[in-house]
Formats: sequence, structure tokens, C-alpha cells
Amino acid sequence: EADIYQTPRYLVIGTGKKITLECSQTMGHDKMYWYQQDPGMELHLIHYSYGVNSTEKGDLSSESTVSRIRTEHFPLTLESARPSHTSQYLCASSELTGGSSGANVLTFGAGSRLTVL
Amino acid sequence: RKEVEQDPGPFNVPEGATVAFNCTYSNSASQSFFWYRQDCRKEPKLLMSVYSSGNEDGRFTAQLNRASQYISLLIRDSKLSDSATYLCVVRPTDSWGKLQFGAGTQVVVTP
Repeated sequence: EADIYQTPRYLVIGTGKKITLECSQTMGHDKMYWYQQDPGMELHLIHYSYGVNSTEKGDLSSESTVSRIRTEHFPLTLESARPSHTSQYLCASSELTGGSSGANVLTFGAGSRLTVL
Repeated sequence: RKEVEQDPGPFNVPEGATVAFNCTYSNSASQSFFWYRQDCRKEPKLLMSVYSSGNEDGRFTAQLNRASQYISLLIRDSKLSDSATYLCVVRPTDSWGKLQFGAGTQVVVTP
């Protein structure tokens, strides 16, 4: 059973549309992340959060934005989708501390596969 | 140069055989190392952490070589269910909590 939920699982949408990918976790984790992954490629961190009202940009430049108003919820928004945004988006969470384990063990959602036509 | 590099494979392995593969990392100050497993079109899941002295978890053995900056994963007595992509994950000390993922090594176990 999943402790971190992503919706929608699949989305096909036209260019210029606004989309929000939802991510919720029930584990009480402080840290949450959004990764982007193309087939056969590594995960790229696009956004992360250390807790409520904390958001940071990741290593990969992204036109998306995130918010963290509640601990359990970390939605990602694209104001105007483009074909270059076609990818899989993976949400993850972890504990805040725990140097050798907690903070390093990510639990991933099942992913949102976005196709922009 | 990528922070974490892996041979993409695929490694085609007969059922019951042993397979091993490495992952190299560029930041010599990296502190924590992990192997995650990702099935086709699924999310990554933690397989095991990698400790300095090496560690085993059932049929899986992980090793760390700090001098040469690589970690390895060995799978003994391969099962069909071991077919997956294995992601090498490293945490550099200067980016607490921001893990670096390799692109993965694909393993295909055949009957």
C-alpha cells in the first residue's frame, strides 16, 4: 500500500494549458521532493521542501512552481504546458534528520506521466 | 562529467547466475551511498544502503571502494524477479539531503 500518492497518474494535455500535479504523503515526513525522469535517464531534482512554507529549486532548471502549505501536500504547477515538459514526474518524501538513514531514504510516489501535445 | 556514472547495460543474466556491476562517483567527500531498484515504468525503491565495510542483504552484496570512488552491487542466484534497473545513489556532504542519482544499470534475468 502506498504512503505517498500522486495524481493524475497519466495526463495528456494540449500546449498552453495550466496543470497541477498533486502529491500527498501520510508518513508525516518533513522533506518532500519533485524529480523529473525521462526514459533511460537519471532522476533530476527540480524542487524540494524542508517543511511548511519552505520551497527550494533543485538542480535542474524548471518552469514549474511548487507550494507547501500543509506538511502532507506538495503540488507542482505548470502555468503553460509545452511539449518540452513531456516527462515523468516523481514525488518523494523523507524524514528531515537521521544522517545515515532517515534523511537519505526516499519514499517515492508512483509518478505522473505527462504528455504535452 | 556526471556526478554518478553507471554502465547502462543491459546485463543479460541466466537464472541462477551471479551478476555484478559498479557505479563511480566524482565527489571524493561523498558520505552516504545507496542502491535503489526501479522496475519498468515504476517508482524507485530503496534496495539497500552501502556501508564502508561492505554489507549483505540476502542474495545482494554491496561494497564501497573509497580509494577508487566506486560502489558495487553483486546479485547471487539471480531470480527472474531481479530483472530491473538498479540506481546508484550518492549523498555529497556539501548538499545535505540532496541525493545524486545515477542513470541506472539494467539487469535482465532470463530463464
